Amino acid sequence: DQQVKQNSPSLSVQEGRISILNCDYTNSMFDYFLWYKKYPAEGPTFLISISSIKDKNEDGRFTVFLNKSAKHLSLHIVPSQPGDSAVYFCAASDVSSVGNNRKLIWGLGTSLAVNP
Amino acid sequence: KAGVTQTPRYLIKTRGQQVTLSCSPISGHRSVSWYQQTPGQGLQFLFEYFSETQRNKGNFPGRFSGRQFSNSRSEMNVSTLELGDSALYLCASRPTGVGTEAFFGQGTRLTVV
Repeated sequence: DQQVKQNSPSLSVQEGRISILNCDYTNSMFDYFLWYKKYPAEGPTFLISISSIKDKNEDGRFTVFLNKSAKHLSLHIVPSQPGDSAVYFCAASDVSSVGNNRKLIWGLGTSLAVNP
Repeated sequence: KAGVTQTPRYLIKTRGQQVTLSCSPISGHRSVSWYQQTPGQGLQFLFEYFSETQRNKGNFPGRFSGRQFSNSRSEMNVSTLELGDSALYLCASRPTGVGTEAFFGQGTRLTVV
């Protein structure tokens, strides 16, 4: 049972346009969400995160929006650049875990291609 | 500060053999998690170690095991390798505090022939 779902396996966008990557979750106990970016043959690197007490977090060209009632979050990249082409993973952390024992639950990823 | 280091980077093994992968976390990080990535399957969680104890485990068969040493370095072992074990194995470390951000190594690419 996939608790974190990235329903679009791939996305293609023109350079300079906006990229919107979506992520849905089913567990209402998730209270912290993260986006990671992964290039081939490398480990994922942290991109941006958001706590459930916020509905938006912005870092440069990257903005994450959280809609708790819809259990949905999205990552916006504006403007998109060819170097953004990578696989993007959404992950969520479960508040019901005790103390520092917080598992990260991962989506399957969305492959973004930004075309020049 | 050095990042997460995984060795070896690439490995080729034959079916039936066993393999041990190594991960050195970021200095000061006590949590080490292992993931398997195969095409189309995303990041599949294997297990997490914290202070030498396994505290979370994914849905993998008993052929997959791990351990963590007192210096937080971790090893993952796969016995009786199968062709389907071919994957990128990633290790991630996390700080001891409340942060949940995980820092990944570059992974070990295992090919089983």
